[in-house]
Amino acid sequence: QQQVRQSPQSLTVWEGETAILNCSYEDSTFDYFPWYWQFPRESPALLIAIRPVSNKKEDGRFTIFFNKREKKLSLHITDSQPGDSATYFCAASGDSGYNKLTFGKGTVLLVSP
Amino acid sequence: DPKIIQKPKYLVAVTGSEKILICEQYLGHNAMYWYRQSAKKPLEFMFSYSYQKLMDNQTASSRFQPQSSKKNHLDLQITALKPDDSATYFCASSQDANQDTQYFGPGTRLLVL
Repeated sequence: QQQVRQSPQSLTVWEGETAILNCSYEDSTFDYFPWYWQFPRESPALLIAIRPVSNKKEDGRFTIFFNKREKKLSLHITDSQPGDSATYFCAASGDSGYNKLTFGKGTVLLVSP
Repeated sequence: DPKIIQKPKYLVAVTGSEKILICEQYLGHNAMYWYRQSAKKPLEFMFSYSYQKLMDNQTASSRFQPQSSKKNHLDLQITALKPDDSATYFCASSQDANQDTQYFGPGTRLLVL
């Protein structure tokens, strides 16, 4: 059973548009949700993260919206740039599990100029 | 200067052989982890260590053995290699094992023939 699900699998947007990447989770004990991005042949890098004490986290063009009741979150990328083209992973961890991150399968984002 | 070093970058092995993947971090972190990424599976947690002690093991096979000779080292020994072990293995670290941001190393790409 997959604990963290992401959709869509791939997404293409035009430069300047808003990309919306979705994530849902099963385990109600998860309470830390980082998003990582990964460029081809590189390692994952932390983009932005949220804890359920808030339902929104913003960092420049990147915003996480969090819905604890529905166990869903989404990453919004406004004014998308070609340099944003990457694979985006939603991850989650709980207060038990010694910081074990459970990753979704990722969304491949392509921003066309 | 790279803060997390993984050696080697690429590794080709024959089925049944044994290899050691090296990881050193120079971030002053107390927790270290191993993750695996393959075409078949998303980023998958393997082990977490805190102050050189094993905290969590999600790897079913005993063929995978982490080794921590120093606080900033966490190597991964893999015995009796199988083609299915082919993947990129990422080492990561965080300040502590309590939902701190995890930073990923560049990875070792392993191919088992």
